[in-house]
Amino acid sequence: DIVMTQSPLSLPVTPGESASISCRSSQSLLNSNGYIYLDWYLQKPGQSPQLLIYLNSNRASGVPDRFSGRGSGTDFTLRISRVEAEDVGVYYCMQALQIPYSFGQGTKLDIK
Amino acid sequence: EVQLLESGGGLVQPGGSLRLSCAASGFTFSSYAMSWVRQAPGKGLEWVSIFSGGNSRTYYADSVKGRFTISRDSSRNTLDLQMNNLRAEDTAVYYCVKDRHSFAPPSGGMDVWGRGTTVTVSS
Repeated sequence: DIVMTQSPLSLPVTPGESASISCRSSQSLLNSNGYIYLDWYLQKPGQSPQLLIYLNSNRASGVPDRFSGRGSGTDFTLRISRVEAEDVGVYYCMQALQIPYSFGQGTKLDIK
Repeated sequence: EVQLLESGGGLVQPGGSLRLSCAASGFTFSSYAMSWVRQAPGKGLEWVSIFSGGNSRTYYADSVKGRFTISRDSSRNTLDLQMNNLRAEDTAVYYCVKDRHSFAPPSGGMDVWGRGTTVTVSS
């Protein structure tokens, strides 16, 4: 099974500053079709998770361009530029290449 | 508007059974893979099962294999999760989730999530 490891687990950020979350997979998420099956989700307080980034670097519909994703086969980064108060919540990376799909532990972002 | 509405959660004793249902609307239900994802109280997300829309294949997490069964009724636009031999560790909020693609695995993002239904396994 593929294990997903996120860091940090807690991330206090000053509004207007940038923030980065790291995610590492125990196996490459690069498929033979050239796509990298790594997604990012945000769960805001009291809400269901929402898709932010799919296939490593593609923003989901309605997601501000302050959010960006990048990475190679096993190391990935979610970057949030100009953090806003509405960005608080728990961020999860997830691999959807291989069954069983697996999530990282989550990174809780809050505002300083 | 694309919507997923879960139902069927509740309190059940260990060893008991429960059937969750997810009503989909606003999209061509049979054209997409659909998953169940759960979240235990105060914990992270755990993928449970997926129904591949294009070929009707099903897959499960090891923790539920042999106990849970995922199924789809395209005539009613519903996704079900039959849960048998429930354990305390199955206690969680269960989310119904739509995939961006028809065939899975792999999946290219889960773009619509329901509000979830709560399952509590306790004596």
